[in-house]
Amino acid sequence: EAQVTQNPRYLITVTGKKLTVTCSQNMNHEYMSWYRQDPGLGLRQIYYSMNVEVTDKGDVPEGYKVSRKEKRNFPLILESPSPNQTSLYFCASSLLVGRAEAFFGQGTRLTVV
Amino acid sequence: AQTVTQSQPEMSVQEAETVTLSCTYDTSESDYYLFWYKQPPSRQMILVIRQEAYKQQNATENRFSVNFQKAAKSFSLKISDSQLGDAAMYFCAYRREGGSEKLVFGKGTKLTVNP
Repeated sequence: EAQVTQNPRYLITVTGKKLTVTCSQNMNHEYMSWYRQDPGLGLRQIYYSMNVEVTDKGDVPEGYKVSRKEKRNFPLILESPSPNQTSLYFCASSLLVGRAEAFFGQGTRLTVV
Repeated sequence: AQTVTQSQPEMSVQEAETVTLSCTYDTSESDYYLFWYKQPPSRQMILVIRQEAYKQQNATENRFSVNFQKAAKSFSLKISDSQLGDAAMYFCAYRREGGSEKLVFGKGTKLTVNP
């Protein structure tokens, strides 16, 4: 089954404690990205990657890191989480074609206290 | 920068009735794609329908159809014969031609379906 798998689905952490949200896709997609969803703001792109070892900033990259060492995996790293990073996070993947459907993971609800 | 505007934060419809969700966008590009995504309470983002800007014909997927007005930069979603399972957040999204371009999302419309 074609899917994007994100883990964990829920996470509560404390300010400053490094965390990683994993993302893996099994569709051999070149393009992967991370979004955060906040009430009244829709989804905003954090980082994206067009292929292995190629990553770039989206609209709201501050406080986040990513890596793309393998085509299927695209982890999101918060080195020192802060309460303003409390949000719902989505990983997405697609082919490198404009009309391509983006496939989304099931989301990670992150709370930073 | 491209922007997508959904002017209706919330909408409601009676079961079996028809509802239209509005979306406008701002772009100077001529080649692009428009999407409607559905997000039910499960949080899963599901593609409902897509429209290529170069196509004049409006896209249709079963009970879902769009009214694409390129000159007006308008892309509304019509849901016919609404069902309880249609209750969700609906996001309009834009992507410029070129596979490396990001999806730009509107802020969403929460649709309630009343039995």
